[in-house]
Amino acid sequence: DAGITQSPRHKVTETGTPVTLRCHQTENHRYMYWYRQDPGHGLRLIHYSYGVKDTDKGEVSDGYSVSRSKTEDFLLTLESATSSQTSVYFCAISDWGDQETQYFGPGTRLLVL
Amino acid sequence: ELKVEQNPLFLSMQEGKNYTIYCNYSTTSDRLYWYRQDPGKSLESLFVLLSNGAVKQEGRLMASLDTKARLSTLHITAAVHDLSATYFCAGRSGAGSYQLTFGKGTKLSVIP
Repeated sequence: DAGITQSPRHKVTETGTPVTLRCHQTENHRYMYWYRQDPGHGLRLIHYSYGVKDTDKGEVSDGYSVSRSKTEDFLLTLESATSSQTSVYFCAISDWGDQETQYFGPGTRLLVL
Repeated sequence: ELKVEQNPLFLSMQEGKNYTIYCNYSTTSDRLYWYRQDPGKSLESLFVLLSNGAVKQEGRLMASLDTKARLSTLHITAAVHDLSATYFCAGRSGAGSYQLTFGKGTKLSVIP
């Protein structure tokens, strides 16, 4: 398995509070991604990073920010959590080559009350 | 904008039977991916298909890609219970794109 960890794995928070999710990799892969998974929607890309301090928005970036100060860490922040951000969040990594795929972390279950 | 559509979204099949999951995509995609997800778990990569006519097989699963028809298929041969999972296809809109667009997934249940 690719060396990807996410923390926390489960979190319950209240509407309006800030939340930060962490993704840590030991593979030295260049690219990192944050997705959310919701029933009926598959996976949707929130933000991605193509290098240290290089990030860009994905399909559903509103209400989220990211930071990558080191190759191994990619942080996802919900500035002011809302109930619509209740979801399962997956981090993924990749290092594009011909057969390269994205490898996914174990996920974080977030409940916003 | 790349759109990916899978069908069926739900599939209940008997052990020993064959079936195919279809993945259509809307614009050019330079590669096509298949993933498996077990309930409550992460996604596991199954196949990466790079070119028209590509076919890959692993056990009872075989994936193919037809770029002209913008169609990928995941064929299941002689299904067994262990194949019960949700299967996702995903496309990449082109070289230099870092983003994958996922289908909504096909939930497969294999029953005795």
